[in-house]
Amino acid sequence: GQQVMQIPQYQHVQEGEDFTTYCNSSTTLSNIQWYKQRPGGHPVFLIQLVKSGEVKKQKRLTFQFGEAKKNSSLHITATQTTDVGTYFCAGRTNDYKLSFGAGTTVTVRA
Amino acid sequence: NAGVTQTPKFQVLKTGQSMTLQCAQDMNHEYMSWYRQDPGMGLRLIHYSVGAGITDQGEVPNGYNVSRSTTEDFPLRLLSAAPSQTSVYFCASSIGAGVMDEQYFGPGTRLTVT
Repeated sequence: GQQVMQIPQYQHVQEGEDFTTYCNSSTTLSNIQWYKQRPGGHPVFLIQLVKSGEVKKQKRLTFQFGEAKKNSSLHITATQTTDVGTYFCAGRTNDYKLSFGAGTTVTVRA
Repeated sequence: NAGVTQTPKFQVLKTGQSMTLQCAQDMNHEYMSWYRQDPGMGLRLIHYSVGAGITDQGEVPNGYNVSRSTTEDFPLRLLSAAPSQTSVYFCASSIGAGVMDEQYFGPGTRLTVT
């Protein structure tokens, strides 16, 4: 079964508001990656976190890796219509396999 | 560079038919993998390869075969298609399978089995 759980499955956001999606693993991860998939498209790499407690920012997106390396979050501030899509986290639990979360599908109300 | 290419983009099969989904990359990546994407399930790993001549099973390998005779190509074979294999299939590649390797995804193949 899926080793990485992601919530919420859906996020409906008013334009300009903030939201957060969360990723949790039952086992310690060596790293965690985040991807974005636009409707009808393919996943595109956003960022990778490796260190315990790591925080990285990309413009309005803030990514965090938990101290125990079992959870991660993506926070988007001032949501725009360009943020529409599905955001996936993917945890690496061994050297060769990535386990993807089910994704958070984001829709934006203008 | 074309990146990761997949053919066909769309395919309809009848139950019991076989076919091969093609995947190629021109980035000299060692690691390649196949995922299927179903609503609410995220991306599930079918098979992967850490280099030419080496393949291994992922999370959902049943009903699929792979081979890796060259670095560039990683075809996925459906042996006897079943309706449960209706899905979107993505091929991905990365430089390696280490800690710092981002996945590059192809555009996907939408497969319907009737």
